[in-house]
Amino acid sequence: NAGVTQTPKFQVLKTGQSMTLQCAQDMNHEYMSWYRQDPGMGLRLIHYSVGAGITDQGEVPNGYNVSRSTTEDFPLRLLSAAPSQTSVYFCASSYLGQGAHYGYTFGSGTRLTVV
Amino acid sequence: GDSVTQMEGPVTLSEEAFLTINCTYTATGYPSLFWYVQYPGEGLQLLLKATKADDKGSNKGFEATYRKETTSFHLEKGSVQVSDSAVYFCALRVGAAGNKLTFGGGTRVLVKP
Repeated sequence: NAGVTQTPKFQVLKTGQSMTLQCAQDMNHEYMSWYRQDPGMGLRLIHYSVGAGITDQGEVPNGYNVSRSTTEDFPLRLLSAAPSQTSVYFCASSYLGQGAHYGYTFGSGTRLTVV
Repeated sequence: GDSVTQMEGPVTLSEEAFLTINCTYTATGYPSLFWYVQYPGEGLQLLLKATKADDKGSNKGFEATYRKETTSFHLEKGSVQVSDSAVYFCALRVGAAGNKLTFGGGTRVLVKP
């Protein structure tokens, strides 16, 4: 029962470096999303996808790219890391059937520090 | 747009005390409502949910009732334990606009022995 798997759990980057945060789910969920969690600011939506080949921006998309080539995977790319992107990143997935009735299943998070 | 407002913490309680965390919302459609819990160092876990007015969600001794007339979904537990120390998030989801889940800012609860 893997659920949502995020890798890596911890990462330190230098300013200007790029990297990809991985997210995979094995529940055949149509909906996947990325959030960042910062102290005092709750969770903010970065990007989301309602199915393979379909992505859209959330509340704070600048500096991040996503793609959804398969139902299972939804990687988040940091193009040129900045200290403002230091945060904890969560991937989440859900069914879309019955509209709003489903909550999300969350991964365990990636703690990213940009120095 | 959609928004969720919950009381700011931290909330500090003694073991066996009564816990209430207030949550109110505004929504563009008819939302489903959720409470999530985040234990230290972990991701968010679904605690309970309610999908229509007057529904009561319950789990692990926690309860919340969907009050459409007051647009509220307050979380309660009658007797907290040290293991309930966590951050609690209220959230809503409307079956449109990409089905996004909108979160409140979270309330940190600390239960002391």
